[in-house]
Parts: sequence; structure tokens; C-alpha cells
Amino acid sequence: RKEVEQDPGPFNVPEGATVAFNCTYSNSASQSFFWYRQDCRKEPKLLMSVYSSGNEDGRFTAQLNRASQYISLLIRDSKLSDSATYLCVVDSGYSTLTFGKGTMLLVSP
Amino acid sequence: DAGITQSPRYKITETGRQVTLMCHQTWSHSYMFWYRQDLGHGLRLIYYSAAADITDKGEVPDGYVVSRSKTENFPLTLESATRSQTSVYFCASSAGKGNGEQYFGPGTRLTVT
Repeated sequence: RKEVEQDPGPFNVPEGATVAFNCTYSNSASQSFFWYRQDCRKEPKLLMSVYSSGNEDGRFTAQLNRASQYISLLIRDSKLSDSATYLCVVDSGYSTLTFGKGTMLLVSP
Repeated sequence: DAGITQSPRYKITETGRQVTLMCHQTWSHSYMFWYRQDLGHGLRLIYYSAAADITDKGEVPDGYVVSRSKTENFPLTLESATRSQTSVYFCASSAGKGNGEQYFGPGTRLTVT
């Protein structure tokens, strides 16, 4: 089983739509969780951390379910500029992060 | 300018040649990382460093060598390039262990012919 799994997509949505991505992780000892965003041919950048109680940052909401070992990202009122690949990232408590392969989002006018 | 830079941004080399990819950060971050990104594989860790003169292998270290004599620099050397090492290479840094915010450089696109 892969350590971090994501649906590669692409998710095609119209502007203004709500879209959700899920991610599952295999290491139950994982301590911290994050979503990164990667634009085409660019470097990944941290979008938001994921806290156990769930957290929001504007139009973005992240949730963590430790019992089921999955993480979600909800984007409301999608913008054209949200088109990117979203990487699920897990910190197992060592010095390194494990990245999922990413989910591609395409927002159309 | 502050930040993390990589050079060269694009490189074409021949099989068997040695090539070094440079990474420089101005934040004095303790941790630095090298990843490669390929279609179908996502980001895979090659090597990382917790401090100057401390390096450790990641998921795919074979065929690569790193050094870290100064905190700000973390070069990656392909000792004898192979076509399977054609990839996009990203360098990253972070302030500390377990810190989820890694700052990535712009990447180096390497083609081995």
C-alpha cells in the first residue's frame, strides 16, 4: 500500500463550484498533515496545515480523520486561479515529509 | 534576494557525464532537501541534510551524491548520468525537524541524452 494516496483527477469544475479532494495515508503514527499547491511547471508551495479539529483559510477547509486515516480539502466558490495540482503531505515525525502524487483541479469559466 | 535558488534552471547532458545541480538558500534554515519529480511518481526524496556536514539518504539515493559544507548550500551531483535520471529536480529547505513548511526552489529541468 502506498504511503499517501490521492485521486489524480483531473477534477473539472465550473467557476463558483465547490469541490472536495480526499487523501488517505497508511502510517497511523503520522503526526502532521498538510496540503501543498503546485502550479504547472512550478515549485510546490504550502497551502495550509491540517489540524485535528479541522481548519479554514478563506474559501479552503481542511479536515483530518485519524480513525479512518484520511485528509480532505474543500474549496468553495472555485476561481480560475485555483486551477493547479493539490498535493497531500504527511509528516511521520521523522525529518522528512511524504508527498502524495497530487490531484489536478481544472476550473473553467 | 532572499529565498532559495537553484542553478542551472535547465541542463542537457550526455549519458556518463558528471553533472552538479546547485542549491542556495538565504534563510539559514537547518534542513535542506533534494527531490525529483517524474510523471507517475510525484515528488521523491533523494537526500536530505539536517545541518552542515550531516546528510542522509532518502527514498531514491542511488546514483547521486550530496555534500553540505556550508549551511546555505546543498549541491547534488550525478556522478555518471543515466537517462533514467532525466527529471525535474527540486531543492527545498525548512527551519526545523518536522516542520511541515518546506520552501522549494524553482527547480532544475535535467535531460540526459
